[in-house]
Amino acid sequence: DSGVTQTPKHLITATGQRVTLRCSPRSGDLSVYWYQQSLDQGLQFLIQYYNGEERAKGNILERFSAQQFPDLHSELNLSSLELGDSALYFCASSVGSQWSYNSPLHFGNGTRLTVT
Amino acid sequence: DAKTTQPTSMDCAEGRAANLPCNHSTISGNEYVYWYRQIHSQGPQYIIHGLKNNETNEMASLIITEDRKSSTLILPHATLRDTAVYYCIVRVASGSARQLTFGSGTQLTVLP
Repeated sequence: DSGVTQTPKHLITATGQRVTLRCSPRSGDLSVYWYQQSLDQGLQFLIQYYNGEERAKGNILERFSAQQFPDLHSELNLSSLELGDSALYFCASSVGSQWSYNSPLHFGNGTRLTVT
Repeated sequence: DAKTTQPTSMDCAEGRAANLPCNHSTISGNEYVYWYRQIHSQGPQYIIHGLKNNETNEMASLIITEDRKSSTLILPHATLRDTAVYYCIVRVASGSARQLTFGSGTQLTVLP
């Protein structure tokens, strides 16, 4: 158990809809990272928050947004969903504002999103 | 950032040692070798990291060649639960999240 909690585990929705994925980081971790993994694709970094502030941005679509709340949990909002958004979405956390050799990322078990 | 090359897939008999190679011939002096694994549909799991010395923890051993151009992750007694995709990543000691990217990895299948 990594200590990172993601809900829901599975989500099925229709095209055009909007969903919210939730992540609770490990106790004491201030950074939250979001990744997307499509079928047979590698992990794609989307966005990172550190202590409530956006820290780094990856290949995140404009239809997607995220935030980190004062209690450090984070939400990833996906809107105007398309079939191609079907994927596993992982959240990870780390102590500092940057991952480091002595503070590796700890991943949750993901949310499987299916867009029909 | 140094690029890594790993075999696409490997098999290993249960109870035997699994040796997963990684080539990183362009590695810089300040870059570490990290290993993560991803069991099917679960989140990646950190295994081990090293700079130039061999490292061992409760999960695995990491052997880095003297010239640091390649390394081997060793699972001493592989079990069926070790079946996963193993990622070798070369990065500096710390950095932006954009810099931690996962390639294709090696699919290790542990056979009964």
